Amino acid sequence: GQSLEQPSEVTAVEGAIVQINCTYQTSGFYGLSWYQQHDGGAPTFLSYNALDGLEETGRFSSFLSRSDSYGYLLLQELQMKDSASYFCAVTGDKIIFGKGTRLHILP
Amino acid sequence: NAGVTQTPKFRILKIGQSMTLQCAQDMNHNYMYWYRQDPGMGLKLIYYSVGAGITDKGEVPNGYNVSRSTTEDFPLRLELAAPSQTSVYFCASSFRPRENTGELFFGEGSRLTVL
Repeated sequence: GQSLEQPSEVTAVEGAIVQINCTYQTSGFYGLSWYQQHDGGAPTFLSYNALDGLEETGRFSSFLSRSDSYGYLLLQELQMKDSASYFCAVTGDKIIFGKGTRLHILP
Repeated sequence: NAGVTQTPKFRILKIGQSMTLQCAQDMNHNYMYWYRQDPGMGLKLIYYSVGAGITDKGEVPNGYNVSRSTTEDFPLRLELAAPSQTSVYFCASSFRPRENTGELFFGEGSRLTVL
């Protein structure tokens, strides 16, 4: 089967850096994706790692280690608008999501 | 482009009623998915399809049915609605995983309440 683990909540200060970790178990693995979801909205795509290493997209970076079945999302220069839920998702024969990490940002 | 379009956006059902959630995409994606999301929870895969005529169960398929007669459309049928099916339903589409940038394109969601 497939399963993902990520922290349920993380709190950080505006302007700081925060890392959200994700560990997974899956078969037929192609890559790890990250999504952001604001309350009442649909998930929106942030980044994707098919290979080991770091992918950078503006203030957001994502890392993957296939050998460790581990990845993380790094958010820099946090802004209040980054307050949202963040989901990791494994792309294999099907796409399975983690339970999400609620990011709280303090002014 | 419209992307992924879901209808209806909101619906209230009585226990035992049936209904179909519609989903259409205009991006020529082979893969389409239905997820449900309960309050404060992650997305659970209900059914998915890898192309017209091919569907497969996800994590929580019980109480639902799907069909995929065309590349564009992927309706989700709820038979004998139960309160446990109260949720927000998201349809999504993507290219084949091997060719994929990892991006799922989501519809806006359909909020269903069963009373």
